[in-house]
Amino acid sequence: EADIYQTPRYLVIGTGKKITLECSQTMGHDKMYWYQQDPGMELHLIHYSYGVNSTEKGDLSSESTVSRIRTEHFPLTLESARPSHTSQYLCASGHGVNSFFGQGTRLTVV
Amino acid sequence: AQTVTQSQPEMSVQEAETVTLSCTYDTSENNYYLFWYKQPPSRQMILVIRQEAYKQQNATENRFSVNFQKAAKSFSLKISDSQLGDTAMYFCAFFYGQNFVFGPGTRLSVLP
Repeated sequence: EADIYQTPRYLVIGTGKKITLECSQTMGHDKMYWYQQDPGMELHLIHYSYGVNSTEKGDLSSESTVSRIRTEHFPLTLESARPSHTSQYLCASGHGVNSFFGQGTRLTVV
Repeated sequence: AQTVTQSQPEMSVQEAETVTLSCTYDTSENNYYLFWYKQPPSRQMILVIRQEAYKQQNATENRFSVNFQKAAKSFSLKISDSQLGDTAMYFCAFFYGQNFVFGPGTRLSVLP
C-alpha cells in the first residue's frame, strides 16, 4: 500500500467550528488532490496542487481552502463548518498518471 | 469536457463466477488513460487496472481484465473467479492532462 495518510478518520463537529483535515504523503509526489465523496457516490475534485505553493480549485465548488507549504503536506480547512459539509473527504497524491488514495476522513457536522 | 458513465449502480455475482462491469466515456482527446479503481468497505481506493489509450492490447492483471473499445469509447472490467474480497465499489476513471474524472461507481457484491 502507498504511504499516504489522512487524519482524523472520523470527525463529528458542531456547526460554526473551524476544522482542518490533514493529509500527508511520504512518496515525494508533486501532485496532490482533495476529493469529496458522498456515501456510495462518485468522487468530485475540490482542490488540487501540482507542487509547493501551487493550489487550484477543482470542478466542484467548495467553501474549503487548502495550502501546500511542504511537498508532503496538503491540509484542507473549513473556516466555519455547516451540516452541508457532511461528507467523506479523500486525499490523493500522484506521480505521472498514477494516483494513490488515503483512507479518507468521514466528516459529520451537527 | 470529459464524462464517465457507469450504467450499473449495483451488481452481484456468485463466488467463483465471472462478472463484467460496464463503463463508457466521452472525450475528444486521443491520448489518455483509463483506470478501474476499487473501494472496499474500509474505503481506501485501490488501483485495479490501467489502460493506455494508445495501446490496442487489453490490459490484464491476474483475475482482472478489460475490454477496451476506443472507437466505441467503452472500457469494461471483467472479474474472473470472483472472490468474497472483491466486494466493493468499483470506479471507472479517465485521466487526461493532470486530473481524473470518475464515474459514479458500481457496487459489486460477491455472494457466497
